[in-house]
Amino acid sequence: QVQLVQSGSELKKPGASVKVSCKASGYTFTSFIMNWVRQAPGQGLEWMGWINTNTGNPTYAQGFTGRFVFSFDTSVSTAYLQISSLKAEDTAVYYCARDGYCGADCYSDYWGQGTLVTVSS
Amino acid sequence: SYVLTQPPSVSVAPGKTARITCGGNNIGKKSVHWYQQKPGQAPVLVIYYDSDRPSGIPERLSGSNSGDTATLTISRVEAGDEADYYCQVWDSSSEHRVFGGGTKLTVL
Repeated sequence: QVQLVQSGSELKKPGASVKVSCKASGYTFTSFIMNWVRQAPGQGLEWMGWINTNTGNPTYAQGFTGRFVFSFDTSVSTAYLQISSLKAEDTAVYYCARDGYCGADCYSDYWGQGTLVTVSS
Repeated sequence: SYVLTQPPSVSVAPGKTARITCGGNNIGKKSVHWYQQKPGQAPVLVIYYDSDRPSGIPERLSGSNSGDTATLTISRVEAGDEADYYCQVWDSSSEHRVFGGGTKLTVL
């Protein structure tokens, strides 16, 4: 069965960097787009962008350019989200979410359990 | 950028029907997907492509989409349906996905 297992919670100081991992299993990793979604405390879902795990091409939503980097390692079927120069407002739960087998207007049919990143001095 | 508008909250008595709307300009021409999120849990896809249900989602949940409004309908509401619900579309003009602000469904 398809599973996305994310790395554990992180507590970071402002200005530091963090790398969140999302290990996929139960399907061919390179056949499906992987999305990243942010949820700030008490807030709604915010699409950060996606990475094409076949071509390696990332797409970043507005507001997630510059400090945010999507990557992956096919040898371990794992996608990564790296955030640099962390700010207090980056405090949120970050989800990876796999697309279905469809086009750009696709849905996300499997989600990781979420990783809480807390930025505090 | 494309904006999706959801009511912040909807309340319904057990056994009744809940309707959660998602408004957007000509949303009827887009494909709408719906997610359910319970407290402390990851979102779960409940409706895709306006009205299709993933396996394991009860038939009590259904979706429709026309004009400027998409609707998630939950019939015979149960206590376990209490959750936040989000709609999502693809905005071709910005080439971005967009989520609605979410609706908290309260079962009275």
